[in-house]
Amino acid sequence: GNSVTQMEGPVTLSEEAFLTINCTYTATGYPSLFWYVQYPGEGLQLLLKATKADDKGSNKGFEATYRKETTSFHLEKGSVQVSDSAVYFCALSGGNTGNQFYFGTGTSLTVIP
Amino acid sequence: SQTIHQWPATLVQPVGSPLSLECTVEGTSNPNLYWYRQAAGRGLQLLFYSVGIGQISSEVPQNLSASRPQDRQFILSSKKLLLSDSGFYLCAWSARGRGWTEAFFGQGTRLTVV
Repeated sequence: GNSVTQMEGPVTLSEEAFLTINCTYTATGYPSLFWYVQYPGEGLQLLLKATKADDKGSNKGFEATYRKETTSFHLEKGSVQVSDSAVYFCALSGGNTGNQFYFGTGTSLTVIP
Repeated sequence: SQTIHQWPATLVQPVGSPLSLECTVEGTSNPNLYWYRQAAGRGLQLLFYSVGIGQISSEVPQNLSASRPQDRQFILSSKKLLLSDSGFYLCAWSARGRGWTEAFFGQGTRLTVV
């Protein structure tokens, strides 16, 4: 079946540190992959996406590359800021998911000054 | 542009009372619609999704139900709330038939059952 496995949190980093949040997936067909961000008390916002193998999604300094050979879509940022503190969700859709979205469990990130 | 509206933002209801949460989408036609629940500190649980008017798929058996009376309206209901129904409820939509497109989320409803 389809599933997303995401790095457990919480993650605490100092400002300007390097961030990696691991995400691996299981899916049939050729899904699209997404990273969403959720700030406290709000809904999810799309952070970036990739629709095919080797695509790199990027936004606001965050990047993730769709690796079909390792079934991974790790989120990275070179220098985090306090304002990046949020919960991050990896997700997949498309392929043979039948219009459904599959989300990881979320990783809470706290950036301290 | 497309927008999604979800209300109310917060709700406190006694155990055993009914529930109705509403979600509407503007600026698009024939969307896929979703209801998710997020328990405190937990991930997203898909409750219902719909690919058309009157077409509802339930992912988790429970005392909640969903209806889609109009193309861009999705309602989450319960006849009698339980304490365990407390959580953050999120409505979302995606474009029909385009597996590569993302889901767009509403701002959520914080439900506390007391």
